[in-house]
Amino acid sequence: QQQVKQSPQSLIVQKGGISIINCAYENTAFDYFPWYQQFPGKGPALLIAIRPDVSEKKEGRFTISFNKSAKQFSLHIMDSQPGDSATYFCAAPSPRFSGGYQKVTFGTGTKLQVIP
Amino acid sequence: EAQVTQNPRYLITVTGKKLTVTCSQNMNHEYMSWYRQDPGLGLRQIYYSMNVEVTDKGDVPEGYKVSRKEKRNFPLILESPSPNQTSLYFCASSMTGPQRPLLYEQYFGPGTRLTVT
Repeated sequence: QQQVKQSPQSLIVQKGGISIINCAYENTAFDYFPWYQQFPGKGPALLIAIRPDVSEKKEGRFTISFNKSAKQFSLHIMDSQPGDSATYFCAAPSPRFSGGYQKVTFGTGTKLQVIP
Repeated sequence: EAQVTQNPRYLITVTGKKLTVTCSQNMNHEYMSWYRQDPGLGLRQIYYSMNVEVTDKGDVPEGYKVSRKEKRNFPLILESPSPNQTSLYFCASSMTGPQRPLLYEQYFGPGTRLTVT
C-alpha cells in the first residue's frame, strides 16, 4: 500500500513564481522527511530534509513546511527558475527500533517545469 | 570522488535470459538499496541491505535477487527477466548507525535502463 502520497503529478510555474509540492504520509513512526531532486538522465539527489520536531526548514530558495497533526509536509520553491525544472520526490524512511532506517518509501514524483 | 557506479547503463535483453546489474560505492557506506522507477509510480524499493550479508525485501522484490558479500558491492540479479521488469533501475547507498536522529542522505547511481523483450 502507498504510505506516502504526493501531489501534484506535474506542475508548470512561471519564472519567479512559487512552486508548491505536497506530500501526505500515514505511518506516524516516520521521523525524517527528505526531498530529492532528479534531473533528466540523472539519479535523484538529496535537496533538503526535515525532522518533525521543527515546523519549517529553509535552505536558500527551498523551504520545507511540516504539519505533524495533519501528517503532511510540503516543498516550497521561491522565485522559481528554469534551472529548477526537474522531478521532485518526497520520501519517508521507516525507522528501526534499534536505530537507523530500513525500508524507504518514496512519493510518486512531481515533474516541475518552470517557464521563462 | 565519492560516487555510486552502476553497470551496464543500458541493457536490452530477452525474456528468461539471466542478467546481473552491478552496483559499487566508494564511500564505505553500510546501507545499500535498489529501486526501480516507472512513470506514474515513482521510485519503488526492491531490496535493501543494512550491511554485509544482511539483506531484506523492499516493496517490490518479486523476480529479483540480491547479494552483499562485500561492503562496497550490491549486485541485482534477474534470474528470469520478464517484460514487466522493463524499467529504470537505481542503486543507492548511505550511512546508517545505531543512533537517531541521523543524517540520512542516500547517494544514487546514474541508473540502468533495462528493456526486456
